[in-house]
Amino acid sequence: DSGVTQTPKHLITATGQRVTLRCSPRSGDLSVYWYQQSLDQGLQFLIQYYNGEERAKGNILERFSAQQFPDLHSELNLSSLELGDSALYFCASSLSGAGGSYEQYFGPGTRLTVT
Amino acid sequence: AQSVTQLGSHVSVSEGALVLLRCNYSSSVPPYLFWYVQYPNQGLQLLLKYTSAATLVKGINGFEAEFKKSETSFHLTKPSAHMSDAAEYFCAVSTIIQGAQKLVFGQGTRLTINP
Repeated sequence: DSGVTQTPKHLITATGQRVTLRCSPRSGDLSVYWYQQSLDQGLQFLIQYYNGEERAKGNILERFSAQQFPDLHSELNLSSLELGDSALYFCASSLSGAGGSYEQYFGPGTRLTVT
Repeated sequence: AQSVTQLGSHVSVSEGALVLLRCNYSSSVPPYLFWYVQYPNQGLQLLLKYTSAATLVKGINGFEAEFKKSETSFHLTKPSAHMSDAAEYFCAVSTIIQGAQKLVFGQGTRLTINP
């Protein structure tokens, strides 16, 4: 158990809909990262937040957005869903957002299926 | 841009045999490198990390990796495979974007253990 929690575990929804994925980081970690894992794209970094502020953006679509709240939990919002958005979405946390040596601890993921 | 390449999307070994999973990196600066393991239907678990303190890094579950700058490699090994090692393994390099850390993952290697 990494200490990172994600809800829900599974999500099935229709095209065009909007969903929210939730993540709670390990106790004491200030940074939260979101990743998408799919068969064709592999593991892709989406976005990072540090202590409530956006720090880095990766391959995140404009239809997707995220935020980190004062209690440090984070939400990833996916809207106007398409079939291609079906994937595993992982949240990870680390102590710091700067410096390259900090390991990231991953949650169990949310499996999103868009039908 | 920093990247990693994992040679071999599938590796199959017999129980008790040596495990060797290959990872080559591309980086213009001294890299921070990580190996993660993903068991079926689970999140990623950190196996080990290289942060320039020592070239031979020992991780959990009997795995170790050696950083070789001349070969730009960070291969993962385990002397004797166990059935429980069957999983997908990811090599990752840490990059810094505007002061924020981002992990770039390889495509993964699926390890199968034959009885």
